[in-house]
Amino acid sequence: GQQLNQSPQSMFIQEGEDVSMNCTSSSIFNTWLWYKQDPGEGPVLLIALYKAGELTSNGRLTAQFGITRKDSFLNISASIPSDVGIYFCAGPNFTFNKFYFGSGTKLNVKP
Amino acid sequence: DTGVSQDPRHKITKRGQNVTFRCDPISEHNRLYWYRQTLGQGPEFLTYFQNEAQLEKSRLLSDRFSAERPKGSFSTLEIQRTEQGDSAMYLCASSPRRQAQETQYFGPGTRLLVL
Repeated sequence: GQQLNQSPQSMFIQEGEDVSMNCTSSSIFNTWLWYKQDPGEGPVLLIALYKAGELTSNGRLTAQFGITRKDSFLNISASIPSDVGIYFCAGPNFTFNKFYFGSGTKLNVKP
Repeated sequence: DTGVSQDPRHKITKRGQNVTFRCDPISEHNRLYWYRQTLGQGPEFLTYFQNEAQLEKSRLLSDRFSAERPKGSFSTLEIQRTEQGDSAMYLCASSPRRQAQETQYFGPGTRLLVL
């Protein structure tokens, strides 16, 4: 199946700093989804991307759909303690019968 | 709109027992997915329903696993003769009818511990 590689695996940053993480695939995707997961909870959808080159924002979050359609980036500006969690990228197969997930980027924010 | 709900949230069972989990998708979402997530990993796809039809199954879904969505609304995932390796978070997600812009929404998950 498809493999999505996320980097970095984990990050330790100071409150107020900006964060950048990315997700790459060996195959092209037509949709990229970014999720945040808190411990013991299900992933929460943050941003959805549908077009190569698209840049979409949701508050302090900005995500981009790479022009090769094999990667996507998520940026968080002015991080706050509640940004702590694990961030996952995901993309569907061609028929949208399944979604593939990366292994996540764990974000730690020091107050 | 209420979100995706799952029941129970936690389940502890002994090896060899059967367990069943329930998922209620967002109303009028005709597509439903089950995933399994182990510690430190992203969700792994298990199976997909469109209405009541099970259209996709992962190789991860051994013959001890069965999923149903009898009326195209809620779904159940049953694990028979549980093994310690089945310990994981089981997540359900739903999506509305196919459209140009796909989304997928997750429930809170059922955490299974097999002793």
